[in-house]
Amino acid sequence: DGGITQSPKYLFRKEGQNVTLSCEQNLNHDAMYWYRQDPGQGLRLIYYSQIVNDFQKGDIAEGYSVSREKKESFPLTVTSAQKNPTAFYLCASSYRVNQPQHFGDGTRLSIL
Amino acid sequence: DQQVKQNSPSLSVQEGRISILNCDYTNSMFDYFLWYKKYPAEGPTFLISISSIKDKNEDGRFTVFLNKSAKHLSLHIVPSQPGDSAVYFCAASAGVQGAQKLVFGQGTRLTINP
Repeated sequence: DGGITQSPKYLFRKEGQNVTLSCEQNLNHDAMYWYRQDPGQGLRLIYYSQIVNDFQKGDIAEGYSVSREKKESFPLTVTSAQKNPTAFYLCASSYRVNQPQHFGDGTRLSIL
Repeated sequence: DQQVKQNSPSLSVQEGRISILNCDYTNSMFDYFLWYKKYPAEGPTFLISISSIKDKNEDGRFTVFLNKSAKHLSLHIVPSQPGDSAVYFCAASAGVQGAQKLVFGQGTRLTINP
């Protein structure tokens, strides 16, 4: 079955540590995205990538970093510079413009 | 600056009746609109979309209406079923080449009562 896999489902981080969230897709989509969801808010775009080895900042990129070395993979690193990292993180992909984005099931990150 | 707004955080509807979810936007460059449904601890799933060249799109029990002059769209679900209980997000896009930079509303929690 084609889809988007995010792992792990739950992640805990100590203060001052970096942590990397995994996102893999086998839909052969060119574009991939990372969103953050906080309670009572919509999804906010962190980073997106249109093609391998290319990515752009979204609306709330500070404290995050990404890489796109393979078409199937778009990992997100939450760095210690992110002041409020506790949130639900969603990865998505799309084939091209004006085609719906498909989402993974998300990773919930909590600070210990 | 909230470019996409869903002003009703929650909505409760009787099973079998019509559910109407509303969404307003401010950016006149948006040309593609989508509705997503989300269950707790899961990713959103795509429901239905509409391009700005249309004013209505229908898919089974789901119909999306677009009023460009009012910068307003709505999702109609009829008849409403218990499985429709979820959070619904509207989203809009201005179509960045090669990618689709979506802007989401805050979501409306729909509860279908038996």
